[in-house]
Amino acid sequence: QVQLVESGGGLVKPGGSLRLSCAASRFTFSDYYMSWVRQGPGKGLEWVSYISSGGSGRHYTDSVKGRFTISRDNAKNSLYLQMNSLRVEDTAVYYCARPRVGNDAYDGFDIWGQGTMVTVSS
Amino acid sequence: DIVMTQSPDSLAVSLGERATINCKSSQSVLYSSNNKNYLAWYQQKPGQPPKLLIYWASTRESGVPDRFSGSGSGTDFTLTISSLQAEDVAVYYCQQYYDMYTFGQGTNLEIK
Repeated sequence: QVQLVESGGGLVKPGGSLRLSCAASRFTFSDYYMSWVRQGPGKGLEWVSYISSGGSGRHYTDSVKGRFTISRDNAKNSLYLQMNSLRVEDTAVYYCARPRVGNDAYDGFDIWGQGTMVTVSS
Repeated sequence: DIVMTQSPDSLAVSLGERATINCKSSQSVLYSSNNKNYLAWYQQKPGQPPKLLIYWASTRESGVPDRFSGSGSGTDFTLTISSLQAEDVAVYYCQQYYDMYTFGQGTNLEIK
């Protein structure tokens, strides 16, 4: 079935960097905008970033602008999140998510990965 | 930024009874050109990613039981579970996708 699988999480010190990956399967990845959504321990959902289907359009929530970079490789059916200058408050499970309809950013997310945990701590 | 506020934060309902969760946006999420409300509802169970229940404020996602329904327009929305089942225990989130994306803080639904 349609699937998203995240990887790359782990423990990192404040100020450090981490690169998350999301592997997509069983759908035409290049047709879809893709997003990263995070959830801090015991907290609610926070959208982090999205990228257009072709990769030219990128948007970020204010708290990660200038520190995080979203990218994709449509040939590899993969989505990435490069996270630099990490802060304790970036500690969260990071999910990749797909909107319901292709070539449209603005829709509900019908496909989610299982998430990868990022812990920022000294 | 559009702020989404859910009420209540927590809710306990008896099995078979109705559960109602409210969501209010700080500005309208109704897009006048297509008359659609850019509002979704999700269910999240412990240790799982969110599951899409409702989109366009009132359209049920495929496979979602018909006891789940969404209503509202503009800035005020409601998720209703008509007859609560044990498997509905979860945290529920509303989300606007009119201007980027923002989620409500979540409503924890329990059995009374």
